[in-house]
Amino acid sequence: SQKIEQNSEALNIQEGKTATLTCNYTNYSPAYLQWYRQDPGRGPVFLLLIRENEKEKRKERLKVTFDTTLKQSLFHITASQPADSATYLCALVSSGNTGKLIFGQGTTLQVKP
Amino acid sequence: GAGVSQTPSNKVTEKGKYVELRCDPISGHTALYWYRQSLGQGPEFLIYFQGTGAADDSGLPNDRFFAVRPEGSVSTLKIQRTERGDSAVYLCASKTEAGGYNEQFFGPGTRLTVL
Repeated sequence: SQKIEQNSEALNIQEGKTATLTCNYTNYSPAYLQWYRQDPGRGPVFLLLIRENEKEKRKERLKVTFDTTLKQSLFHITASQPADSATYLCALVSSGNTGKLIFGQGTTLQVKP
Repeated sequence: GAGVSQTPSNKVTEKGKYVELRCDPISGHTALYWYRQSLGQGPEFLIYFQGTGAADDSGLPNDRFFAVRPEGSVSTLKIQRTERGDSAVYLCASKTEAGGYNEQFFGPGTRLTVL
């Protein structure tokens, strides 16, 4: 079955550094991959979408890469700030016409001032 | 503008009881999804509506779970004979078009606790 894994250990970094989060998937070749941010007690919020034919996508301080050979996506936050502290979820868009998402378990990022 | 809303925000019930969870999607969004999120896990797909019909209910864990969307807008997730293992946050999401890969807009969720 389709499986998507993120580093379950929390990532602690110092303010101003670059945070890098990893998402690996197996038994699937997704055409699209999405990243969401989730704060405690809230629903996920969409950040970025990357297509299989795109190697890299940027949005302000965010950068996502998509390596279909390695079956991996990397999510980078440059010049990190304490306000970036949250859980980040990677999601595959399932094949077929439903658009349903298959999520990883999320990685919690803590940025220390 | 108004986002996706869910009520109640918290629901505590006893094992064996029946519960209903409500989702109000963004106006005009034809696609609606229900997900369930356990502590420390990512959301897990339950059911997808395209308009009024359940186009994919493959994620519903068993026949105690049922969802409706009678007028193609508000949706209700219904759980019969609740069990302690049903305790989780139930998330609703909507998006502009059925299928596809565009972003989903999530509500804040309903935290269900079964005692």
